[in-house]
Amino acid sequence: GEDVEQSLFLSVREGDSSVINCTYTDSSSTYLYWYKQEPGAGLQLLTYIFSNMDMKQDQRLTVLLNKKDKHLSLRIADTQTGDSAIYFCAERGTNAGKSTFGDGTTLTVKP
Amino acid sequence: DAGVTQSPTHLIKTRGQQVTLRCSPKSGHDTVSWYQQALGQGPQFIFQYYEEEERQRGNFPDRFSGHQFPNYSSELNVNALLLGDSALYLCASSPLGGEDEKLFFGSGTQLSVL
Repeated sequence: GEDVEQSLFLSVREGDSSVINCTYTDSSSTYLYWYKQEPGAGLQLLTYIFSNMDMKQDQRLTVLLNKKDKHLSLRIADTQTGDSAIYFCAERGTNAGKSTFGDGTTLTVKP
Repeated sequence: DAGVTQSPTHLIKTRGQQVTLRCSPKSGHDTVSWYQQALGQGPQFIFQYYEEEERQRGNFPDRFSGHQFPNYSSELNVNALLLGDSALYLCASSPLGGEDEKLFFGSGTQLSVL
């Protein structure tokens, strides 16, 4: 079945760039997503990329997709303390409602 | 425009009891999906409802059932609760029968089974 893997923790200094990595196994994935979850909250969709794209930029966020290696990354430029949260990578096939999630990367931003 | 709303926000039950969680999708959305998020893990897909029918189901036992109403709102029912059912239950909605690429989540119901 589908599987999504992420590293568990990342710590950066305020103002640095953060890069969160993810690998997935489903070669039929159509969209790949990055979600943010703050304590006690649901999931906030940050950005997503269609599987036929290599890169997508949205303000401070840059998503890179290497479809051959099934590797997805999220770069956050000028990371702020408010970016501290858990970041989830997810993939889906033809149905938006059924997505497979990784176990999340906890990003800690130190002042 | 209200987003996805879930109730209650917190719930405490004992083993063997039954629970019902509720979800109202974002305005204009017709598809509701339910996820279970155990502590320290990512959300896992339980099932999806569209046109008042269960359309897809993840790897969850029959103790987990649901319903979708004509106004697109949905309920998740769990019977014979186990300690391992303790988790954050997330509802997500999407438009166009789930074909749209975006999925919007509610804040979840935290279920504790004692």
